Amino acid sequence: AQSVTQPDIHITVSEGASLELRCNYSYGATPYLFWYVQSPGQGLQLLLKYFSGDTLVQGIKGFEAEFKRSQSSFNLRKPSVHWSDAAEYFCAVGAKGFQKLVFGTGTRLLVSP
Amino acid sequence: DVKVTQSSRYLVKRTGEKVFLECVQDMDHENMFWYRQDPGLGLRLIYFSYDVKMKEKGDIPEGYSVSREKKERFSLILESASTNQTSMYLCASSRTSGSSSYNEQFFGPGTRLTVL
Repeated sequence: AQSVTQPDIHITVSEGASLELRCNYSYGATPYLFWYVQSPGQGLQLLLKYFSGDTLVQGIKGFEAEFKRSQSSFNLRKPSVHWSDAAEYFCAVGAKGFQKLVFGTGTRLLVSP
Repeated sequence: DVKVTQSSRYLVKRTGEKVFLECVQDMDHENMFWYRQDPGLGLRLIYFSYDVKMKEKGDIPEGYSVSREKKERFSLILESASTNQTSMYLCASSRTSGSSSYNEQFFGPGTRLTVL
């Protein structure tokens, strides 16, 4: 069975600084990996996804993530954070042929002036 | 543009009431999901449907039931609401693409349910 760990519950970053949100997964085969963002009071929006191929994936809003099989990680990065990036971020893992996703518990990003 | 809509953004009900949460998607997706979201617990799957009239229990189905009579609509039912069902409820849908299904789920805006 798949599982996802997001070790950071909250992270505070200064506006303009770089960001890295951590995600570790557990799955025996090649996973499908996703990052979603949830703005306050809203549903989840897909930022990016990894299925296969290039391990560095680009997403919307200037985000990218790198799949590292050896570390079972799929960390989300952004070189320069904007105040509008303040939100909750969820990592999720799926498997080929299965419809369900397993979500992490989320990381809340706070952006300071 | 893909769209998942939920019938209410905010709902207040009393203990013991029967509650219906409705979800509609316009993408002709085969799969639909109901999650509840609580602080510190992330998203937990309540029920999942992979076809009309088909359903599968998720991780926390107790106290809930679902109905899918039409492909585009998936309803979550709280037979007798209790205060511990106060939560944010999120609906999602996804497509099954042959043997290489992508799993990508599209979410509605959520319904914040308060049970008094």
